[in-house]
Amino acid sequence: DAKTTQPPSMDCAEGRAANLPCNHSTISGNEYVYWYRQIHSQGPQYIIHGLKNNETNEMASLIITEDRKSSTLILPHATLRDTAVYYCIVRGLYNFNKFYFGSGTKLNVKP
Amino acid sequence: EAGVVQSPRYKIIEKKQPVAFWCNPISGHNTLYWYLQNLGQGPELLIRYENEEAVDDSQLPKDRFSAERLKGVDSTLKIQPAELGDSAVYLCASSLAGALYNEQFFGPGTRLTVL
Repeated sequence: DAKTTQPPSMDCAEGRAANLPCNHSTISGNEYVYWYRQIHSQGPQYIIHGLKNNETNEMASLIITEDRKSSTLILPHATLRDTAVYYCIVRGLYNFNKFYFGSGTKLNVKP
Repeated sequence: EAGVVQSPRYKIIEKKQPVAFWCNPISGHNTLYWYLQNLGQGPELLIRYENEEAVDDSQLPKDRFSAERLKGVDSTLKIQPAELGDSAVYLCASSLAGALYNEQFFGPGTRLTVL
């Protein structure tokens, strides 16, 4: 599975959009991009995933570049409850049960 | 619907003692995972079960770690004997087997402290 690179931490003002980048330059054609987040003292929680098209759900939007080498998770209106570590994971279609989490990005949402 | 249940939430033991963690996955989820999470790092897979079969245990330190999922439902992870370096959070997750998008649902974890 392709590895990912994320900034270790980011700050965001409450109510503003949080844009979390992820680099996955070695991604292959059948690998999906997943995002999970982990709030302090809890287990990771699924947010969204995509292959090549942009995706949106009730939690976030996922923007994948055309060459698929990077992506951005967008939380449109960050709240204090969105303070967490966000993991970008690339997972192969045929190795779909194994996730490599990496160290993630600690998002600090500030009032 | 109940989520993934883990117990205990916290455990403090002396080194060389045995310890066991229990996990009950979401009902109907055939796939169960145990992860280890060290402070400041992401979870690392220890073992994955499909029903009662361990299909990926390549990262499980088999000299001291063991796991079982006898009836294909709940699972136990054991460490014997525990070492100082085993202090970490042990996470259990489950998912529907064969689901293409394989969303994993995680429990709250067990925080182990080895003194």
